[in-house]
Amino acid sequence: EAQVTQNPRYLITVTGKKLTVTCSQNMNHEYMSWYRQDPGLGLRQIYYSMNVEVTDKGDVPEGYKVSRKEKRNFPLILESPSPNQTSLYFCASMTNLYEQYFGPGTRLTVT
Amino acid sequence: AQSVTQPDIHITVSEGASLELRCNYSYGATPYLFWYVQSPGQGLQLLLKYFSGDTLVQGIKGFEAEFKRSQSSFNLRKPSVHWSDAAEYFCAVGADNNDMRFGAGTRLTVKP
Repeated sequence: EAQVTQNPRYLITVTGKKLTVTCSQNMNHEYMSWYRQDPGLGLRQIYYSMNVEVTDKGDVPEGYKVSRKEKRNFPLILESPSPNQTSLYFCASMTNLYEQYFGPGTRLTVT
Repeated sequence: AQSVTQPDIHITVSEGASLELRCNYSYGATPYLFWYVQSPGQGLQLLLKYFSGDTLVQGIKGFEAEFKRSQSSFNLRKPSVHWSDAAEYFCAVGADNNDMRFGAGTRLTVKP
């Protein structure tokens, strides 16, 4: 089954404790991205990757890092999380026809 | 850069009634236009997309959308809403540079 998986689905952490949210897709898509969803703001792109070892900033990259060492994986790293990064995060991969497939989301709470 | 506006934050319709969700975009050229649906606790699912050609596009679950260049709009419609259509709907605009922008979303409530 074609899918994007994210782990963990829920995470509560404290300020400053490094964390990684994993993302994996099995559709051999070159393009992947991370979004955060906040009430009233829709989805905002954090980072995207057009291929292995190629990443670029989206609209809200501050406080986040990504890496793309393999085509299927695109982890999101928060080196020092802060409460304003409490949000719902989605990973997505995209076909060459611009159709995005989204993961189920990761709800992050930073206290 | 392109932008997307969904003027309605929340819409309530009765089951069986027709539905129209509004989407306006701002972009210099003809954009790629999308509608996604997000059911509670789920990720987003693509309903339909417009790239070029026929301005009326059909999607899954009985939805359709019409691209109107003169109005910079891409409104989503469904002739008869079902209770299972209750969800949040997002309009998105993309470009050749892979820049994708989403609207803030419209939450649909369906009354029995």
